[in-house]
Amino acid sequence: NAGVTQTPKFQVLKTGQSMTLQCAQDMNHNSMYWYRQDPGMGLRLIYYSASEGTTDKGEVPNGYNVSRLNKREFSLRLESAAPSQTSVYFCASSVNGLYNEQFFGPGTRLTVL
Amino acid sequence: GEDVEQSLFLSVREGDSSVINCTYTDSSSTYLYWYKQEPGAGLQLLTYIFSNMDMKQDQRLTVLLNKKDKHLSLRIADTQTGDSAIYFCAESITNAGNMLTFGGGTRLMVKP
Repeated sequence: NAGVTQTPKFQVLKTGQSMTLQCAQDMNHNSMYWYRQDPGMGLRLIYYSASEGTTDKGEVPNGYNVSRLNKREFSLRLESAAPSQTSVYFCASSVNGLYNEQFFGPGTRLTVL
Repeated sequence: GEDVEQSLFLSVREGDSSVINCTYTDSSSTYLYWYKQEPGAGLQLLTYIFSNMDMKQDQRLTVLLNKKDKHLSLRIADTQTGDSAIYFCAESITNAGNMLTFGGGTRLMVKP
């Protein structure tokens, strides 16, 4: 099992460009998440999907959109990138339930110039 | 609202014990977790504790939970250089769909 995979690993964008970060999991998990990690701020939840066909906003959703394409895949889109979106983005998945162990991908390091 | 706080940095010598502390504010948290992040990698679950427990031991790791003070700690015995990483505590809250709220992370540096 590959676990949670993310592409790309690194990306540099110019302000105003758009891009989609891809995430896939092969653990048959119900829930998937997108976080951003900024120095000293831990992880902040952008969007999550509790099950296939549903998505909900997290703590910092502005400037992002998501698609739960199927049970395996959950993508994050930046329609018009801004320098404030320079960050490391992590995708995670979990079975869902009272005990919510989340499994993380390796991250995408995004720089917006 | 929920808020999870950790100190930013801890430095210890190899072979010593490390204690990483965390405070949280939401008394309805059900599980509390410790995740480890090595350089350039995602987070990996180290251990967890259910909110009705005071202590959990797992090899070199000991988790202590003081629910009255909303204080969680992770003790690593016989700390090794391979333990150098960022450690995050996180809580999941029943009435928030069991979503995780993470602290800011504590960077542990182990000196040989």
